[in-house]
Amino acid sequence: DAKTTQPPSMDCAEGRAANLPCNHSTISGNEYVYWYRQIHSQGPQYIIHGLKNNETNEMASLIITEDRKSSTLILPHATLRDTAVYYCIVRPFYNNAGNMLTFGGGTRLMVKP
Amino acid sequence: DAGVTQSPTHLIKTRGQQVTLRCSPKSGHDTVSWYQQALGQGPQFIFQYYEEEERQRGNFPDRFSGHQFPNYSSELNVNALLLGDSALYLCASSLGSIQGPSTEAFFGQGTRLTVV
Repeated sequence: DAKTTQPPSMDCAEGRAANLPCNHSTISGNEYVYWYRQIHSQGPQYIIHGLKNNETNEMASLIITEDRKSSTLILPHATLRDTAVYYCIVRPFYNNAGNMLTFGGGTRLMVKP
Repeated sequence: DAGVTQSPTHLIKTRGQQVTLRCSPKSGHDTVSWYQQALGQGPQFIFQYYEEEERQRGNFPDRFSGHQFPNYSSELNVNALLLGDSALYLCASSLGSIQGPSTEAFFGQGTRLTVV
């Protein structure tokens, strides 16, 4: 079973920030939070990951609460091309459990003009 | 730098037949994982190969088998196809030993399998 809970869908206006929440209340100390997205008919695309500090890259920012039980993915200026299903995933820091990714239902983000 | 490539892109098979799907990992990657994605659902982990061995397996029957070659490419085989095997099959590659830190996985575009 997926260890994360996400809203099934969200809308965002083009040019505005998209804030996608994720609950992972059972996260362990050795687990990262990963975000992937899947644009229609394509394979999932890695976005960002973090352990306990906030992270930023060219695609997005990841804000993790101090207790690590939830996080928010932020797309600062959403475009129509950001319309996709966004998956929040927790996985171990070390590969002793393998590189397996456990996908839940994700959040379907619709960016509207 | 080529990413993860999968072949074929689409495939139609008849119930009871066997199918082989192929995956070439991203350059420099040594670990390949396979996922099944039914329509409207998230991908489900099938198994992972590292050093030519199956290292981890999801909840899939023995009809699903795989192989990894010395050049790190991989095949997914499905025997005795069922209608329910119709799905998008995704290959993901990554880098790292079984004991090392987790690394991000890069996915191919998938093979759309239709069983009729």
